[in-house]
Amino acid sequence: EPEVTQTPSHQVTQMGQEVILRCVPISNHLYFYWYRQILGQKVEFLVSFYNNEISEKSEIFDDQFSVERPDGSNFTLKIRSTKLEDSAMYFCASSERATSGGEQYFGPGTRLTVT
Amino acid sequence: GQNIDQPTEMTATEGAIVQINCTYQTSGFNGLFWYQQHAGEAPTFLSYNVLDGLEEKGRFSSFLSRSKGYSYLLLKELQMKDSASYLCAVRDRVSGGSYIPTFGRGTSLIVHP
Repeated sequence: EPEVTQTPSHQVTQMGQEVILRCVPISNHLYFYWYRQILGQKVEFLVSFYNNEISEKSEIFDDQFSVERPDGSNFTLKIRSTKLEDSAMYFCASSERATSGGEQYFGPGTRLTVT
Repeated sequence: GQNIDQPTEMTATEGAIVQINCTYQTSGFNGLFWYQQHAGEAPTFLSYNVLDGLEEKGRFSSFLSRSKGYSYLLLKELQMKDSASYLCAVRDRVSGGSYIPTFGRGTSLIVHP
């Protein structure tokens, strides 16, 4: 069964460093998403991406964040200058159809620890 | 999706039926999701409701009443593996006109023999 994959599974970085989290969505999916979940807290939507453009983004997704689909298979989330409060589990998801009705498949997540 | 309320925890017996409620307030409702999340794992999509009524999918059903700002997830024939957190998420219009999902804190369901 096709699945979303994410690398690395755990990333440790120092405050102020740039990190890139990588995702490979399911191959025939057209819509891509990033979410985060701080330990013990709610899942939070960050951004959705379609046709090489950001479709929707939350207030969390400020200028420190960017997304890219550098080739036909990868979808990346970059945090330019990490802060302690960026420590969280970051989930990538993809869907065949738009958010409104499209079943989203989540990857296993990347645990980001900022020290 | 600014105020999403779900019970924090529920317990039920294997084989029974449980109903998990979710109430919400929105400025521009555009759909409600239910997800299952086992501890330490990613969420798994269960259902999406945008119109009033009941959507059934196997042992799981989801109901929506937009006028009441209310949804429930119904789990039948409970199994031990159903012990998980159940997340309600609502797509709401935000400033700028886009729609984004806001998640509730989740309901931790414990199924015991």
